[in-house]
Amino acid sequence: KAGVTQTPRYLIKTRGQQVTLSCSPISGHRSVSWYQQTPGQGLQFLFEYFSETQRNKGNFPGRFSGRQFSNSRSEMNVSTLELGDSALYLCASSLDSQNEKLFFGSGTQLSVL
Amino acid sequence: SQQGEEDPQALSIQEGENATMNCSYKTSINNLQWYRQNSGRGLVHLILIRSNEREKHSGRLRVTLDTSKKSSSLLITASRAADTASYFCATDARGNKLVFGAGTILRVKS
Repeated sequence: KAGVTQTPRYLIKTRGQQVTLSCSPISGHRSVSWYQQTPGQGLQFLFEYFSETQRNKGNFPGRFSGRQFSNSRSEMNVSTLELGDSALYLCASSLDSQNEKLFFGSGTQLSVL
Repeated sequence: SQQGEEDPQALSIQEGENATMNCSYKTSINNLQWYRQNSGRGLVHLILIRSNEREKHSGRLRVTLDTSKKSSSLLITASRAADTASYFCATDARGNKLVFGAGTILRVKS
């Protein structure tokens, strides 16, 4: 079984631009969660989708949004990028909504200049 | 804010020694999980312990949970250089979302 795939692996953007990150979960997994990881704040929960519905949302501004498609693939979008959005964005999938075992992708390293 | 907080922040040991890291959390939980992250990569699930369990083993890993103290510990026995990584505890908050602690950086010297 293929693992969780995140694209792109690296991304460089400038302030004010927007970005879309993609995540393909493990086949059969219906839950996808997104996390932002920075050296200062650690792993911060962004949101979780299950069967195309957002189940949980973290404390991030409305510039951060996401969605899940019928095939469970997920995208997250960040609009009006700020320097502080530079981070490793991690996607994780799990079989069901219990989240008792998350499988993580390798992440997208976003640099905002 | 983070639910779990690991201690110590960093740990450096010799190969063959045991490594112990601790996690404290704030609210009641259904389960607690431990994950490992190699530099700049995704996290890998290590072990899950439920709130009604006190100890669990998996290979060289031993996890304990004390719900009265809201704390957990992860013990890695006979450590190897390949165990060098960051280790995170994660607790399930309301709605089953997982909240991660700040992590312990483990360095195993050969």
